[in-house]
Amino acid sequence: DQQVKQNSPSLSVQEGRISILNCDYTNSMFDYFLWYKKYPAEGPTFLISISSIKDKNEDGRFTVFLNKSAKHLSLHIVPSQPGDSAVYFCAARYYYNQGGKLIFGQGTELSVKP
Amino acid sequence: DAGVTQSPTHLIKTRGQHVTLRCSPISGHKSVSWYQQVLGQGPQFIFQYYEKEERGRGNFPDRFSARQFPNYSSELNVNALLLGDSALYLCASSLVGRQASEKLFFGSGTQLSVL
Repeated sequence: DQQVKQNSPSLSVQEGRISILNCDYTNSMFDYFLWYKKYPAEGPTFLISISSIKDKNEDGRFTVFLNKSAKHLSLHIVPSQPGDSAVYFCAARYYYNQGGKLIFGQGTELSVKP
Repeated sequence: DAGVTQSPTHLIKTRGQHVTLRCSPISGHKSVSWYQQVLGQGPQFIFQYYEKEERGRGNFPDRFSARQFPNYSSELNVNALLLGDSALYLCASSLVGRQASEKLFFGSGTQLSVL
């Protein structure tokens, strides 16, 4: 039972263009959504998060959009840079659970070509 | 400040053996969680510990156990290893509290290979 899904295993974009990574979820009890970036041989690194009571959060080149009615969130990277090439994981946290438990999607491998 | 540190970085075991993985959280973080990441999938929650008590457990068999020490470091133990236990084991630490705890900080992981 996959509660958080990233249906695109890979995405390739040109440097300077926009990268859009998508994520769908099924559980309406999630209270926070997060994006993590992972390079090979390293642990996931926190990128940006959004509370379930908001619909947009922006941090520099990264913006996350949340559509609660569609149970869908997306991460926009503008402009994309070669250093952004990594695996991106969408994750969600349960309302009642503090601190530890995140439910991750399968990941999307982003490749930004010069 | 040091991040989350895990040891060892790589480990090779044979079926039926036992393994212990270690984790030191970021200074000031009292919660430690363990995740298993199989190639091609996202990390999957195994345990969360806070103040030396288990606060959450994922869908893993009893062969998996963990504990947290007074200095908030943690160990993950896996008994009777199976081939399917081969994975990257990630430790994450966090502050505790509604606003602070949505973000986990991960270590680089221990790559376990079971032959």
